[in-house]
Formats: sequence, structure tokens, C-alpha cells
Amino acid sequence: KAGVTQTPRYLIKTRGQQVTLSCSPISGHRSVSWYQQTPGQGLQFLFEYFSETQRNKGNFPGRFSGRQFSNSRSEMNVSTLELGDSALYLCASSLLPGDQPQHFGDGTRLSIL
Amino acid sequence: QKEVEQNSGPLSVPEGAIASLNCTYSDRGSQSFFWYRQYSGKSPELIMFIYSNGDKEDGRFTAQLNKASQYVSLLIRDSQPSDSATYLCAVKGDFGNEKLTFGTGTRLTIIP
Repeated sequence: KAGVTQTPRYLIKTRGQQVTLSCSPISGHRSVSWYQQTPGQGLQFLFEYFSETQRNKGNFPGRFSGRQFSNSRSEMNVSTLELGDSALYLCASSLLPGDQPQHFGDGTRLSIL
Repeated sequence: QKEVEQNSGPLSVPEGAIASLNCTYSDRGSQSFFWYRQYSGKSPELIMFIYSNGDKEDGRFTAQLNKASQYVSLLIRDSQPSDSATYLCAVKGDFGNEKLTFGTGTRLTIIP
């Protein structure tokens, strides 16, 4: 069974640009959560999607948004990129919201120049 | 005050000794507690979870929970070099708000 797939693995952008990251959950998993990981702040929850609906949202500005498609694949978008958005963005999937374990993808490393 | 706090380390433990990792949380309503292990350059993986006060053992790992003190710990017995990683404590909210709140992690190094 394939794991959680995140694309792209690496991305370099400049300030002011926008970016879209993709996450394909494990087959059958319907809940997808997104996290931002930085050395200083650790792993911070961005948002969670289930059945194409956002169920929970972390404390991030509106520049961070996401969506989920009918096949459970999810995308997150960051607009007007700032230097501080440089981070590893991790996606995790589970069968249902709140289920453990969440299975993490390998992440997308985003660097802002 | 951060919602979930861990000593960032690094924590160095000799091979074969017991490694003790600690975590405190601020939300008294939290019900579920998890320990994730993250190797350098890899994604986190769940190694232990605990819901009730007391100890829970799984192989060389023991999770301890004290809800009155809002304290969770992870003990690793007979530490091996392969245990060298960052250990993340995570706390789950109640039904309807099941997001995981992570601590910043403790970097553990097992010295051969």
C-alpha cells in the first residue's frame, strides 16, 4: 500500500510569490492534516480536511489556505510568500479525523529567497 | 506559555542506559497523548500513545501519564544507537477539535 505522497519535495520561491503544495493520502484515508515544521517553532498544525470540508484550523494568517478534493487528495496554498514561510510542510492522513496514528508524508521543503 | 512544552535537549544517554523524555501540557481537558519519533531528514512516526493515568509499556518503551500534574513522559530502556532521534510529544484536543498540538521536540543522542 503506497504511503502519503507529497509533491514537490523541494521548492524555491521568492518573496511575494504564491505556491501550491499537493498531498495524496494513503488509499482509503479520508482525513488530511497539514503541518508546518521549523527549527524554532517545531511542528505546528495548519488545518485538517475531511470529506472536502475544513474541520479544524490552526493559528496561521489567511495567506495559508487549503482544500480537499472528492478523492481525498489535498492541496495547500500560500500566497504573498514571506521569508518566514521557509519551512518543511508535512501532510498526514488517517482514516477518520482524530484517528491515530496519522501517517506522515516526507514533506515539501519550501525555501523563500 | 506554550501549549505543549518539552526540553529541547540535546539529551545524551550512554548505550544500554534508560533515556527519560518529559513533556508538560497546558490544556487540562486534553485526553489523548502521543509520542512521535523523527529521524533527521525523515517524517515523524508514532511510537506510543496513552489515554489513562499511569504507565503503558510496549517493548523497550514506557509512556507515563499524570493528568493531575499535566505531565507525560517517555522512558526508553536499554537505549540503542538507533534510538537517536528527535522525540515529539503531541496532545490531542477533544471531539470536534481533534488537532494534534506538538511540542518542539527533544533531540536524543545515544552514545555507543
